[in-house]
Amino acid sequence: GAVVSQHPSWVICKSGTSVKIECRSLDFQATTMFWYRQFPKQSLMLMATSNEGSKATYEQGVEKDKFLINHASLTLSTLTVTSAHPEDSSFYICSARDVQGKWTEAFFGQGTRLTVV
Amino acid sequence: DAKTTQPPSMDCAEGRAANLPCNHSTISGNEYVYWYRQIHSQGPQYIIHGLKNNETNEMASLIITEDRKSSTLILPHATLRDTAVYYCIVRGLSGNTPLVFGKGTRLSVIA
Repeated sequence: GAVVSQHPSWVICKSGTSVKIECRSLDFQATTMFWYRQFPKQSLMLMATSNEGSKATYEQGVEKDKFLINHASLTLSTLTVTSAHPEDSSFYICSARDVQGKWTEAFFGQGTRLTVV
Repeated sequence: DAKTTQPPSMDCAEGRAANLPCNHSTISGNEYVYWYRQIHSQGPQYIIHGLKNNETNEMASLIITEDRKSSTLILPHATLRDTAVYYCIVRGLSGNTPLVFGKGTRLSVIA
C-alpha cells in the first residue's frame, strides 16, 4: 500500500509553547488529508479535514485558532498545536487518500505522541 | 455513513482462525465495508474492504452477508502480532469523506 509518514513520532514540550507535526504522503498525491486525536483507551476522533490550497474544515468543538492546519502542497500537511497545555497531551494521527490514483483506501501515519509538561 | 456495531473484545488462540463480526444494518447501496486495525501506539493499518462480494488478500478474508447487513473479518491463522483493536467502518468511495471510527473490537491473541 501507499505510505504516509508522520513526524515526529513523539514530542515533549513545555506548557505554553507550540508544536508542529508534519504529515507527508510519500508515493502519492493527497488533495485531502485528515487529522485525528486519540486519548488513552479511546477511539480516534476526527479533528479536521485538510484541503490542499484552502482552509481546513474543523469538527465541532475543535478550536481552529489552537490547532492550526496548513496544507501547502499535495504531499504535505502540518498541524501546529499553539500554546499547548497539559490537556492537549494526546496521540495525533494523520490520514491521506490517493483520490486520483490507484488506492481507494485511506492510509495513516504512524502517529505523534504529544506530552505537554 | 452507516453506523457499525462490534463486540468490544474477543480472545483467540494463537494459530487458530479469528472471526470478527460487524453489524451494519443501515448500510446503503453505494457504501463499502472497510476494516482497519490499530496496534498499540501506532496509526491504523488498512486490512481489507468490500462492497458485496467476499474478498481475500494476504492479510485476511472479508465475508459479507447477502443482505449486506453484516460482515465478518477472518484472520485465518492468528499470531500474537495480530493482537490489536479492529475497526469496521462503512463509507462511500468519495475521497473527501473521512473515516469515522467507532470503538472497535479489541482482539487478544493468546499463546
